[in-house]
Amino acid sequence: SQKIEQNSEALNIQEGKTATLTCNYTNYSPAYLQWYRQDPGRGPVFLLLIRENEKEKRKERLKVTFDTTLKQSLFHITASQPADSATYLCALASGGGGADGLTFGKGTHLIIQP
Amino acid sequence: NAGVTQTPKFRILKIGQSMTLQCTQDMNHNYMYWYRQDPGMGLKLIYYSVGAGITDKGEVPNGYNVSRSTTEDFPLRLELAAPSQTSVYFCASSYQTSGTQETQYFGPGTRLLVL
Repeated sequence: SQKIEQNSEALNIQEGKTATLTCNYTNYSPAYLQWYRQDPGRGPVFLLLIRENEKEKRKERLKVTFDTTLKQSLFHITASQPADSATYLCALASGGGGADGLTFGKGTHLIIQP
Repeated sequence: NAGVTQTPKFRILKIGQSMTLQCTQDMNHNYMYWYRQDPGMGLKLIYYSVGAGITDKGEVPNGYNVSRSTTEDFPLRLELAAPSQTSVYFCASSYQTSGTQETQYFGPGTRLLVL
């Protein structure tokens, strides 16, 4: 069956360092991969989308890589800040126009310590 | 734009009761979705709609029903509440054209407790 794995334990990073979050998937051939941020008691908020033919995408301090051979995406936050503390969700979409929704990982809880 | 709004924010139901979770979006999005999120788990798709009058089942549809009479509204109906339906429910919307996968915009969620 299709499976998405994200770091199950909280990730503690010192302020100013680069945080790297991992998303691995099996039995899936996603056409797109998205990263969302979720704060406690709130809905997920979209951060970045990367397509299967793209290796890397950047947005300000955020960078996403997508390796379809390794079946893995890495999400980097450079110059991390305490305000970056949140749960980060990886989500996959098939190539069918997204009509069947996204498949989400359980998320990684990131804590940036001052 | 208010984006995606959901009501109520929190509700306690007794086993066997029914209720409707409301979801409205003002972005003229064609696609709408209902997800549930259990503690420590990923979001699971319950139902989705690609346009007014069209709905389809997601991964976990049992115990739920939906309708989509307008572009803006996508209510989720629980007919006979069970403790297993205790969860946080998120509504989402997106604008999709053929062959694209666009950003999904999520509502703030409805926290449901079934006792």
